[in-house]
Amino acid sequence: GENVEQHPSTLSVQEGDSAVIKCTYSDSASNYFPWYKQELGKGPQLIIDIRSNVGEKKDQRIAVTLNKTAKHFSLHITETQPEDSAVYFCATSGNTPLVFGKGTRLSVIA
Amino acid sequence: EAQVTQNPRYLITVTGKKLTVTCSQNMNHEYMSWYRQDPGLGLRQIYYSMNVEVTDKGDVPEGYKVSRKEKRNFPLILESPSPNQTSLYFCASSLGQGSGTGELFFGEGSRLTVL
Repeated sequence: GENVEQHPSTLSVQEGDSAVIKCTYSDSASNYFPWYKQELGKGPQLIIDIRSNVGEKKDQRIAVTLNKTAKHFSLHITETQPEDSAVYFCATSGNTPLVFGKGTRLSVIA
Repeated sequence: EAQVTQNPRYLITVTGKKLTVTCSQNMNHEYMSWYRQDPGLGLRQIYYSMNVEVTDKGDVPEGYKVSRKEKRNFPLILESPSPNQTSLYFCASSLGQGSGTGELFFGEGSRLTVL
């Protein structure tokens, strides 16, 4: 089945700096790549997603890039703020249920 | 308000005492799923349901049961809980399953401790 590797597992950045989280996947049939943010004590929430016919997507300070040839995709957060501190999960699916990465704990230091 | 509601949010129980974690969604979603979250292991799927009366095993189904008698409800049943089922559990729902079927909405989580 699908295998999703997510790196790094923890990431600390200074407020205002950028953060990048990377994921690789194994199933070439995967065509949907969402990112979820989990704040303390809450369930994960979708923040951005991309489909395989698109190479990059932006939404204000967050962006996702996809390289289907290399089977990897990344989340980019610019001008980080303390409220960006959370656990972030990447995920993939094709015609099968979403498979999640193990998560990245992002800490934004003021 | 569109939401997925889980109960209980917190539960401490003892080995072997049957328990049920309820899950209900008010978005008329066809797809529902249960995950467990453990440190360093991320979100692992336990069971999922594509529609009423249709359920399938996920990656870690051992020790769990589910049922989908109504579209809005998808309870998770632990017939004989064991300490290795101590975890944070999430129910989630979406319009469908797969790439074209929209956002997966998660409940707030149920923290279960089995002594």
